[in-house]
Amino acid sequence: AQSVTQLDSQVPVFEEAPVELRCNYSSSVSVYLFWYVQYPNQGLQLLLKYLSGSTLVESINGFEAEFNKSQTSFHLRKPSVHISDTAEYFCAVTKLGGATNKLIFGTGTLLAVQP
Amino acid sequence: GAGVSQSPSNKVTEKGKDVELRCDPISGHTALYWYRQSLGQGLEFLIYFQGNSAPDKSGLPSDRFSAERTGGSVSTLTIQRTQQEDSAVYLCASSSPPGSLTDTQYFGPGTRLTVL
Repeated sequence: AQSVTQLDSQVPVFEEAPVELRCNYSSSVSVYLFWYVQYPNQGLQLLLKYLSGSTLVESINGFEAEFNKSQTSFHLRKPSVHISDTAEYFCAVTKLGGATNKLIFGTGTLLAVQP
Repeated sequence: GAGVSQSPSNKVTEKGKDVELRCDPISGHTALYWYRQSLGQGLEFLIYFQGNSAPDKSGLPSDRFSAERTGGSVSTLTIQRTQQEDSAVYLCASSSPPGSLTDTQYFGPGTRLTVL
């Protein structure tokens, strides 16, 4: 079985500061990795995903995440955050090559960007 | 095209009543998933449909929960004899079949269920 750990339930940060949201996973098989974002009063949106290839993946709004197999991590980073990045961020995994792509989610990290 | 839609957006019911939640997936998406988001349990997988069949029902928390999908499109999640612990946001997602190149799951806005 797979599991995901997001150690930080809340990360306060000032605007234009860098941020890292941590995600570690546990799995006995290879996995795909995802970050989803949930803005206030909105649904879940895919931010970025790692399927294969380059271990560094980027989103269109400046976030990036690096897959580290040895550390079983997939931390999300942004060099300079904006107020509009305030949201809850969920890390998720699914089993590679599985019959279903059900997502196993972490508990989420609330990114609170302050002016 | 339109995204995943869910109805109702909010549902308040009394303990013991039955409720039905509806999901309209993105057109052409054969895979459909139900998840539940609650304060105590976070985001949990409930059930997966491929077409009209449900090969994975492992996340349904009890036999009060059931779901069906007809015509390979709309899905209904039914909760019988609702309990207060059923209060949560129920999310639906759809995607291309697992293993296809574009099998990213797209989520609907959810149905917020409150059981009084």
